[in-house]
Order: sequence, then C-alpha cells, then structure tokens
Amino acid sequence: AQSVTQLGSHVSVSEGALVLLRCNYSSSVPPYLFWYVQYPNQGLQLLLKYTSAATLVKGINGFEAEFKKSETSFHLTKPSAHMSDAAEYFCAVSVTGSNYQLIWGAGTKLIIKP
Amino acid sequence: SQTIHQWPATLVQPVGSPLSLECTVEGTSNPNLYWYRQAAGRGLQLLFYSVGIGQISSEVPQNLSASRPQDRQFILSSKKLLLSDSGFYLCAWSVGVPGNTIYFGEGSWLTVV
Repeated sequence: AQSVTQLGSHVSVSEGALVLLRCNYSSSVPPYLFWYVQYPNQGLQLLLKYTSAATLVKGINGFEAEFKKSETSFHLTKPSAHMSDAAEYFCAVSVTGSNYQLIWGAGTKLIIKP
Repeated sequence: SQTIHQWPATLVQPVGSPLSLECTVEGTSNPNLYWYRQAAGRGLQLLFYSVGIGQISSEVPQNLSASRPQDRQFILSSKKLLLSDSGFYLCAWSVGVPGNTIYFGEGSWLTVV
C-alpha cells in the first residue's frame, strides 16, 4: 500500500534561514506528488505538484521541491524563510488506480523564529 | 474560475444533536467531491468521496453520512453527534483522473459540547 512519511511534526528555523521539509513516499509505480500549505484556521492550498515532467518543481511563495526516484523523496525547500511561511505543510501522493484518493502525510508545522 | 463554498464556518453543537455541513462548487461540472476531517493536532482523514450524483464512498465507519443531491453540492450529516466528532471539516473537489489537484474549501470548525 502507498504511504507518505513526513519527518518531523515540527520544524523550527530562523527568519532568513533555509527551510527543508522532508517527505518520503512508498509506491511501486510512478506517483504524482503534492505539497500543500495550511495557514491557521484555513483550508489547504496547493504549493506545488510533480507530474513526471521536470524533477525540480517550483511552486508559489518561493518554494520548490525535487523528486528523487532513487530516494523515493520529494523534499520541500525555500532558500530564505519569512515569518509569513509559518504554517502547516502536508505532503501527499496520488497513484494511478488509487480510486481518486490522495495519500497524506501527517503534516509538518513550520515555526519561524525572529 | 472555479470556487468552492463551505458553510457554516463555525458550529457549536450539543452531544446528540444533528449536524449538516454544506459545500457547493461553482465553475466546473461533474467534479469529484470530498469530505475530510482534521481532529485537533492530527492529520487529514478522508471521510467520504463522491464521483457523481448519488455515488458516495465511505472511508471510515462512523455516525456521519454524506449525500450529493446535485452535481456540485455535497452535504455532510449526522443524526446524533458525539464528542469525538469535534474537529475541522474540509470539503474539497477535483476533476478528471487521479493526479489532478484537489482544491479545498475554507473549512468548518465543529465543536461538540
């Protein structure tokens, strides 16, 4: 069965520092991979999506993620954290034949220190 | 452009009372529709999804039910709420095949007291 693992339920970085949020997936077939962001008391918003085109995917708000098949990873990065990046981030995988579902990671709460 | 509306935004209900959360999507036809729940401090749990009118699939056995009376309307209901039903409920939609983006509504906070 497919699964998604996000390492670290909370990640704390200083403003201006590199943001790295980790996501590993298990899938026996090429997946579609997603990163969503959720600000407090709001719905989820798509940050970026991998659909088997370029392995480096650029998203909104300066975020990007790299698909590494050999490592079954899709880590999310941003070169310089901003206070407005404080939110919860979810990684998800969709696999053909999964009956329209996304398999979700547990989420990582990003904390930005001033 | 497509939009999704979900209401009410906040709800406080006593144990044993009924529940109705409603969601509508505009600007698209025959969407896939979803209800998710986030309990406090926990991740996303898919409750129901629908690929067409009257077609509902339940992912988690519980005292909640869903209905899709119209193409772009999705309703989450309960006849008798439990304390454990408290949480943040999210409606979402997508179109096409697996791999298409899922778009979320703003969510509804339900507190059962």
